[in-house]
Amino acid sequence: EVQLMKSGGGLVSPGGSHRLSCTASGFTPIYAWLTWVRQVPGKGLEWVARIKSNTDGGATDYAAPVKGRFIISRDDSKNTLFLQMNFLKTEDSGVYYCTRVHVDGAFDVWGQGSVVSVSS
Amino acid sequence: EIVMTQSPATLSLSLGEGVALSCRASQSISNNLAWYQQKPGQAPRLLIYGASTRATGIPGRFTGSGSGTDFTLTITSLQSEDFAVYYCQQYNNWPPYSFGQGTKLEIK
Repeated sequence: EVQLMKSGGGLVSPGGSHRLSCTASGFTPIYAWLTWVRQVPGKGLEWVARIKSNTDGGATDYAAPVKGRFIISRDDSKNTLFLQMNFLKTEDSGVYYCTRVHVDGAFDVWGQGSVVSVSS
Repeated sequence: EIVMTQSPATLSLSLGEGVALSCRASQSISNNLAWYQQKPGQAPRLLIYGASTRATGIPGRFTGSGSGTDFTLTITSLQSEDFAVYYCQQYNNWPPYSFGQGTKLEIK
C-alpha cells in the first residue's frame, strides 16, 4: 500500500524551531515531487513548500508566509521528507500534511498529519 | 497568485440527492484542477485530477467538469459517506499551489 508516515508533531514556543519528517512506503519516492500542506483547525488547506525530485534538479519553492523561515529537504536513501521550521509564530500552528505530487500535478498521496502547536 | 473561489460555503442535502459544487479560478488554469474530499480528523483524499479524471478507487457518482476558469464537481445520489468538506486546487501556475476555501456538505 502506498503511504506517507508522519512523525514529529509537538508543542513549540514562539521563535523556536521544530522539524517534521515523513517516510514513504509502498513506493520509491526518488522520482517523486513532494510537498507539505498545512491546515489550521476548522480552516482550509494551505500549501507550504514543495521539493522536486533530485532527478528533476531538487529545486524547492515556498509559500510567502514561510519563505526564509522553513526549509524543505529530502533524504532519498531513507525515503524521508523533512520540514525544518524556524522562527515559529503562533500562526504557524496547525496540522501539517506531507503529500506526493502525481505526474499530472495534483497531490495524490497524503500522510496522516502532524499537529504543531506554537504557544507560550 | 491565482485565487480559487468555491461556492457555496455550506450545503444541506438529503441522502440520495444530487449536488453540483462550484469552483472558480481568478485566471485561466486550463484543466489543471483537482478536487479533494476531507472528512473530520482525516487527511484530504484526491477525488479528481485534470478537472475530470477520477483518481484510483473513486466511485463513478463523482464527476468533474470544466476548463479555463469555471469548474464543477457533481455528485449523484449522495451516500452517507459523501458528507464531508470538498476543496478544489489549481496546479497550473505555481508557486503557490492554491486551494479554494472549501464547501461543506451537511446532511439535512
